[in-house]
Amino acid sequence: GDSVTQMEGPVTLSEEAFLTINCTYTATGYPSLFWYVQYPGEGLQLLLKATKADDKGSNKGFEATYRKETTSFHLEKGSVQVSDSAVYFCALSVAGSGNTGKLIFGQGTTLQVKP
Amino acid sequence: DTGVSQDPRHKITKRGQNVTFRCDPISEHNRLYWYRQTLGQGPEFLTYFQNEAQLEKSRLLSDRFSAERPKGSFSTLEIQRTEQGDSAMYLCAPSVGPITDTQYFGPGTRLTVL
Repeated sequence: GDSVTQMEGPVTLSEEAFLTINCTYTATGYPSLFWYVQYPGEGLQLLLKATKADDKGSNKGFEATYRKETTSFHLEKGSVQVSDSAVYFCALSVAGSGNTGKLIFGQGTTLQVKP
Repeated sequence: DTGVSQDPRHKITKRGQNVTFRCDPISEHNRLYWYRQTLGQGPEFLTYFQNEAQLEKSRLLSDRFSAERPKGSFSTLEIQRTEQGDSAMYLCAPSVGPITDTQYFGPGTRLTVL
């Protein structure tokens, strides 16, 4: 079945460090890929998305490129801030006959950024 | 603000009691999803509505769970005879447009079963 695997956390970085959170997926169809973020005490928010191979999603300095050949959608940011401390979820949804577009999430990666 | 409200935000109940949650999308969304999130895990899909029709139910949704979406607007999720394992955050996520379009999550209802 379809699945998403994220690197285990927590990830602890100093402010202004480079961030990579790995995400790989398995899908029977052609998925759209998403990164959602959950800040402390808040709900899930869409961070970025990509709907086809080689697309790059970007938002708030974060980027992720849809790599079909490696079935990956790694999240990157060049310089993290303390305010980026949150839990990050990679997710996919599959379109096509019989699919309802439900999201399949990874287990989440906690990022802690220290001043 | 995602334009989605959920009520109640927190619910504490005793094992065996019935509980009902409500999700209100502010604007018209033809699709609506329910998910459950337990501590330290990503959300897991429970059920899906297209307008008022319930088109998919996860195997996680035992016969103690029932969901409705009358008139294709708000939705309710009821759990009968709650168990401690039902303790989780219940999230609804409306969507509009293509089937893989963005789902905007509500703030969730945190259920604690004692």
